[in-house]
Amino acid sequence: AQSVAQPEDQVNVAEGNPLTVKCTYSVSGNPYLFWYVQYPNRGLQFLLKYITGDNLVKGSYGFEAEFNKSQTSFHLKKPSALVSDSALYFCAVTADSNYQLIWGAGTKLIIKP
Amino acid sequence: EAGVVQSPRYKIIEKKQPVAFWCNPISGHNTLYWYLQNLGQGPELLIRYENEEAVDDSQLPKDRFSAERLKGVDSTLKIQPAELGDSAVYLCASSITGTSDEQFFGPGTRLTVL
Repeated sequence: AQSVAQPEDQVNVAEGNPLTVKCTYSVSGNPYLFWYVQYPNRGLQFLLKYITGDNLVKGSYGFEAEFNKSQTSFHLKKPSALVSDSALYFCAVTADSNYQLIWGAGTKLIIKP
Repeated sequence: EAGVVQSPRYKIIEKKQPVAFWCNPISGHNTLYWYLQNLGQGPELLIRYENEEAVDDSQLPKDRFSAERLKGVDSTLKIQPAELGDSAVYLCASSITGTSDEQFFGPGTRLTVL
């Protein structure tokens, strides 16, 4: 069965510091991995995805994520956090063998000035 | 380009009453999704359409929930009768196809059942 885990309910980072939001997954077949962000009282927005190719994927708002097949991870990163990055972040995974998008429980990112 | 449109944005009803939500996806997007989202949690898929065909409705509580996507464009999700536990945000999303394409979400409808 497919699954995705976001092991941290909340991540606190000081403004200007690098941030990492963790995501690990389990699928049968080649994974398709996504990150979405949800700002307070707003809808979900797509950030980036990994389908194939370069393991380092760049997305919106300066975010990037690295696909690590051996560790089955797809952690979201940003070199320098902004207060405006504070939001709820969701990792999602599906596979080419059996389409069913599985969502993580979400990680609340808090960036302190 | 217009995004996914949902209406209404907010709805307050009493339990046992019916309620309907409407969604217009992005033009050209063949796949449409209805999700339920509780506060601080991830979206839970209710139903997925490929054009006008419901290809995954395994999580839709069919005793009270129904959905349709006539002509493969806009869609309606209905609850009848509503229960207190149905209070949540109902999200509609669309994508070009239902495989490796990212989903675009509407603003959602916040339902409160009293």
